[in-house]
Amino acid sequence: AQSVTQPDIHITVSEGASLELRCNYSYGATPYLFWYVQSPGQGLQLLLKYFSGDTLVQGIKGFEAEFKRSQSSFNLRKPSVHWSDAAEYFCAVATGEEKLTFGTGTRLTIIP
Amino acid sequence: DGGITQSPKYLFRKEGQNVTLSCEQNLNHDAMYWYRQDPGQGLRLIYYSQIVNDFQKGDIAEGYSVSREKKESFPLTVTSAQKNPTAFYLCASSMRTGPYGYTFGSGTRLTVV
Repeated sequence: AQSVTQPDIHITVSEGASLELRCNYSYGATPYLFWYVQSPGQGLQLLLKYFSGDTLVQGIKGFEAEFKRSQSSFNLRKPSVHWSDAAEYFCAVATGEEKLTFGTGTRLTIIP
Repeated sequence: DGGITQSPKYLFRKEGQNVTLSCEQNLNHDAMYWYRQDPGQGLRLIYYSQIVNDFQKGDIAEGYSVSREKKESFPLTVTSAQKNPTAFYLCASSMRTGPYGYTFGSGTRLTVV
């Protein structure tokens, strides 16, 4: 069965600094990978997704993620964070059945 | 605009009572899902349905029930058999052929009092 690990429970970053959130997956075949963002008390919004092809994927709100098969990773990056990026971020992997398995999330705090 | 509507946003239930959470979508999506979210545990799948009149148990189905009588609707009932029902519940939908990722509702926070 597929699984997703987000090793960082909480990350604090200064506004304007760069950001990298880690995601490792376990899945035998080529994975379908997703990053979602959740503001407090809200649903999840899709940031970006990887199916195949170019391993660097661009998403909304200035985020990007890079798929590295050799490391089983799909890390999320942003060159310069804004206070509005404070939220919880979830990585997810899908099988061909479309069912998603989510990581436990990384909470991002932005300090001025 | 198309989307998923969950209602109510907040729900209080007395112990021993059943309660039903509503989820409606107008995206013409075939598949719908219910997740439970607890702090530090991510999202756990309760039930999912890929077509009308059919649904499957997820990882934590005990104490929950669902129905899928219409494509647009996938209500979740939290029964008195659910030992610890206080949580944030999220409904999602997707195209059956995919994977394209999910569209989520804004959630219902259930509190047992």
